[in-house]
Amino acid sequence: AQTVTQSQPEMSVQEAETVTLSCTYDTSENNYYLFWYKQPPSRQMILVIRQEAYKQQNATENRFSVNFQKAAKSFSLKISDSQLGDTAMYFCASSGMGRRALTFGSGTRLQVQP
Amino acid sequence: NAGVTQTPKFQVLKTGQSMTLQCAQDMNHEYMSWYRQDPGMGLRLIHYSVGAGITDQGEVPNGYNVSRSTTEDFPLRLLSAAPSQTSVYFCASSYSRVQGLIEQYFGPGTRLTVT
Repeated sequence: AQTVTQSQPEMSVQEAETVTLSCTYDTSENNYYLFWYKQPPSRQMILVIRQEAYKQQNATENRFSVNFQKAAKSFSLKISDSQLGDTAMYFCASSGMGRRALTFGSGTRLQVQP
Repeated sequence: NAGVTQTPKFQVLKTGQSMTLQCAQDMNHEYMSWYRQDPGMGLRLIHYSVGAGITDQGEVPNGYNVSRSTTEDFPLRLLSAAPSQTSVYFCASSYSRVQGLIEQYFGPGTRLTVT
């Protein structure tokens, strides 16, 4: 079974600073996708960034970037220049060949302090 | 495009009542899923469908039924509501490649309380 682990239930960061959220996963597949989703207080699930496992280059989307370590099965999210609007729950998730849905971690609640 | 829509947004049920959560998507996605979100547990898969007429169980299927008569619609039925089904429910749709699901598009969620 696929598992995704987020070991930081809550984190806090000052506005304009950088924060890194951790995620580890377990899979026996070679090809798969990894995701970070953001869930603000509105409850809507929003895709932040996606990484394809066969790509060596780490994905980036504006202030969001990942550190993907395939051998270590680690997939952390770095948020640079944190903004108040980044306050949210962040979920790490994975998918893979033959899997019909995503497997989610338990989430990290991020609070950006002014 | 409306994306993924869910109704209702909020619902309160008494123990033993039944109801259907509606989900529709207009992106012609083949895959659709229902998840429940509980505090500290992330999102867990209830049921999923890989196309019209094809459904299967996920991680926590007990107490729920689904059907998929069209590509667009994927309703979730609670047969006899129990307090343990108090949760936030998300419907999602997606397409896939060989490596797996590219992305799941989520509806706005339904907050269900069973008293």
